[in-house]
Amino acid sequence: KNEVEQSPQNLTAQEGEFITINCSYSVGISALHWLQQHPGGGIVSLFMLSSGKKKHGRLIATINIQEKHSSLHITASHPRDSAVYICAVRSDNTDKLIFGTGTRLQVFP
Amino acid sequence: GAGVSQSPRYKVAKRGQDVALRCDPISGHVSLFWYQQALGQGPEFLTYFQNEAQLDKSGLPSDRFFAERPEGSVSTLKIQRTQQEDSAVYLCASSLVPRGQGGTDTQYFGPGTRLTVL
Repeated sequence: KNEVEQSPQNLTAQEGEFITINCSYSVGISALHWLQQHPGGGIVSLFMLSSGKKKHGRLIATINIQEKHSSLHITASHPRDSAVYICAVRSDNTDKLIFGTGTRLQVFP
Repeated sequence: GAGVSQSPRYKVAKRGQDVALRCDPISGHVSLFWYQQALGQGPEFLTYFQNEAQLDKSGLPSDRFFAERPEGSVSTLKIQRTQQEDSAVYLCASSLVPRGQGGTDTQYFGPGTRLTVL
């Protein structure tokens, strides 16, 4: 069983829909990252959080440490949001990240 | 300012060839990470440097993989006698200050090198 699980693996949406991507993890962590990867490989860090909630524009990330669960929400989705969204956790004792397999999002106009 | 850069962006190698992949981290970043991303999968950790010291190489899949960062800035990942299963995107990331020193642990990723072994 992977230490970081994401759902769904694939997601399609119509422009304007509210999107939720979920991440569950089984290890103790010091931080959780949400990353965005566009075709061609480049990865951009969206959020780093260790508790509560963060908001940046139309993106919202929440984490529940007790339940070992995080969600990434996209409000008013747009075709340019189409990408792979990856959840990654930084375990308690190391600097390295453990990644989920990603959620491929396609938003259609 | 300049981000993390990697070269080459694409590399095609014949099975058995040696390859060298380069990473230029953001200037002044202490920590440097290498990850391997197979097609359709999330990245997986390979190795970690703090300055020139390789503190963790637990993710290197075999002794054919070797990484160095001799002056604490540019890093090279070398793969000897490449095999088809080495085909992947190799990602480099850097961060300013290591954990435990009070700094951000946001990792900044390079564009990756896509390696195809024929």
